[in-house]
Amino acid sequence: DIQMTQSPSTLSASVGDRITITCRASQNISSWLAWYQQKPGNAPKLLISQASTLQSGVPSRFSGSGSGTEFTLTISSLQPDDFATYYCQQHNGYPLTFGGGTKVEIK
Amino acid sequence: QVQLVESGGGVVQPGGSLRLSCAASGFTFTNYGLHWVRQAPGKGLEWVAFIRNDGTNKFYADSVKGRFTISRDTSKNTLYLQMDSLTVEDTAVYYCAKDRSSGWKYFDHWGQGTLVTVSS
Repeated sequence: DIQMTQSPSTLSASVGDRITITCRASQNISSWLAWYQQKPGNAPKLLISQASTLQSGVPSRFSGSGSGTEFTLTISSLQPDDFATYYCQQHNGYPLTFGGGTKVEIK
Repeated sequence: QVQLVESGGGVVQPGGSLRLSCAASGFTFTNYGLHWVRQAPGKGLEWVAFIRNDGTNKFYADSVKGRFTISRDTSKNTLYLQMDSLTVEDTAVYYCAKDRSSGWKYFDHWGQGTLVTVSS
């Protein structure tokens, strides 16, 4: 199975900050990586697929990059609505696997 | 708009069974693969099972293989998850999720989830 490792597990930041979350795969997954945002009590929301394809309606301050085994999610200017937990997920093959999550907290 | 509405969660004793349903609307049911994903209280996301748009292919996480069965009914636009031999480790919110197509293997729409609690 492909293991997905996210870092950091918690990130404290302020509104307006630029933040980056890293996701590493235990083997080469090409660009088959998705990112989700989840707020407490809600289902996850798809932000990015295929490492860098922004989903319709997702603000342009979100961006994804990477290929192979190392990927990043960047929020260029953190907004109040962005405080949430973020998960990466490999969509290279079954079983599908998620990273452990990164909680973005208010500093 | 796409809607996925789960039902069937509840409290069950260890060793018991439960069947979850997910009523789908707002898209052509027979064109898309569907998944179950779960989240234990305070924990991360875990993919559980997938069924192809035509029902011919199914995949399961090792943690549920042999105990859970995914199925779909095109006449009712409904996805199911039959869960048998439940253990306390199966306690979680269970989400149904729509695949981007029938093979992209990521989730572009999610239901609101249904809570399954396995406890004596």
